Amino acid sequence: EAGVAQSPRYKIIEKRQSVAFWCNPISGHATLYWYQQILGQGPKLLIQFQNNGVVDDSQLPKDRFSAERLKGVDSTLKIQPAKLEDSAVYLCASSFGAPEGSEQYFGPGTRLTVT
Amino acid sequence: AQTVTQSQPEMSVQEAETVTLSCTYDTSESDYYLFWYKQPPSRQMILVIRQEAYKQQNATENRFSVNFQKAAKSFSLKISDSQLGDAAMYFCAYSGYSTLTFGKGTMLLVSP
Repeated sequence: EAGVAQSPRYKIIEKRQSVAFWCNPISGHATLYWYQQILGQGPKLLIQFQNNGVVDDSQLPKDRFSAERLKGVDSTLKIQPAKLEDSAVYLCASSFGAPEGSEQYFGPGTRLTVT
Repeated sequence: AQTVTQSQPEMSVQEAETVTLSCTYDTSESDYYLFWYKQPPSRQMILVIRQEAYKQQNATENRFSVNFQKAAKSFSLKISDSQLGDAAMYFCAYSGYSTLTFGKGTMLLVSP
């Protein structure tokens, strides 16, 4: 089966610019996650969708970050305007069932550099 | 809030040897899951092994096994017969009634 797809793989922008990331989860996976992984740290959850509804966005900086999941499939994560501290790898993951105990399948990530 | 601590930033092992990666966590929940994920350089993160807290028996997956000490809130990963392909960043993670919380990771270096 096809894995989680993400694009672009790399992005370099200047601070105050905007950027968008795209994710296509594994077919049939109802739950989709966006993580931010800063160099030297573990992934931190930004937002979790169950189908096309938001389950948890408590750690999403809502003044600059937004995300949507259209039709319960693909998802986009946007940053506007970007700050230097947003430089990180943005990981998308999906799982078939409820988050507790479910294996999450990760995409290759998008490495964002903000200059 | 739950926290996951990996106290070893880096570990080294020789091929065919055994290595143990440490993880401790803090929680007030009674039911939860613990995971070890592997993130090879420039490759996708994959699940290595999963443990359900209500199961006393330690999980095993081929060369990978865990030592789960619920009272001590400890969850270590043992890799037997280490291979060059085991070189990666290993993350311990916790999932209770909320979302997945990761530790900072342990980089495992494998030498021939």
